[in-house]
Amino acid sequence: DQQVKQNSPSLSVQEGRISILNCDYTNSMFDYFLWYKKYPAEGPTFLISISSIKDKNEDGRFTVFLNKSAKHLSLHIVPSQPGDSAVYFCAANTGNQFYFGTGTSLTVIP
Amino acid sequence: NAGVTQTPKFQVLKTGQSMTLQCAQDMNHEYMSWYRQDPGMGLRLIHYSVGAGITDQGEVPNGYNVSRSTTEDFPLRLLSAAPSQTSVYFCATGLREQYFGPGTRLTVT
Repeated sequence: DQQVKQNSPSLSVQEGRISILNCDYTNSMFDYFLWYKKYPAEGPTFLISISSIKDKNEDGRFTVFLNKSAKHLSLHIVPSQPGDSAVYFCAANTGNQFYFGTGTSLTVIP
Repeated sequence: NAGVTQTPKFQVLKTGQSMTLQCAQDMNHEYMSWYRQDPGMGLRLIHYSVGAGITDQGEVPNGYNVSRSTTEDFPLRLLSAAPSQTSVYFCATGLREQYFGPGTRLTVT
């Protein structure tokens, strides 16, 4: 059973606007959450993370929000740029194990 | 500083053959892991290691074997390849912010 879910397989956004990518999880033992970006034929690259003791973490154009009561996290990209077009994976960590969502393909339209 | 390297990039196997996917890192990370990525399934953890001589199973370990004799290397062995093992395999290092290799695309016919 999928413990981390990304229910939107794809998202299209105009350049300069906000991109919001969503992720839900079921395991309350997860204590660390991450977002990765992946281009075709490459490995995922780390974007931003958040500990379960926080509800927001910001790094430049990227902000991750965590709502523990709803078991939901989101990644905001502002402003979106064409180079942001990629597949985005959320991941959750407990102990030594990581669980990934199925990914959301973001297309930023110039 | 190469980061995480994986070899080969591509491989075609026949059912029943065995092979080893290589992973090496120069980041001095204790934690290393192997994932497979399948369409619609995201990345799933196969095996991981928290240091030389220590390995453990992830979410989908069946059909795979690992060992960790050095900090730098973490090979993944397919003992008897099956078509269900057709996938893209990624090695990663680091426990909190994982660094991924470029992947190995494996096809089993």
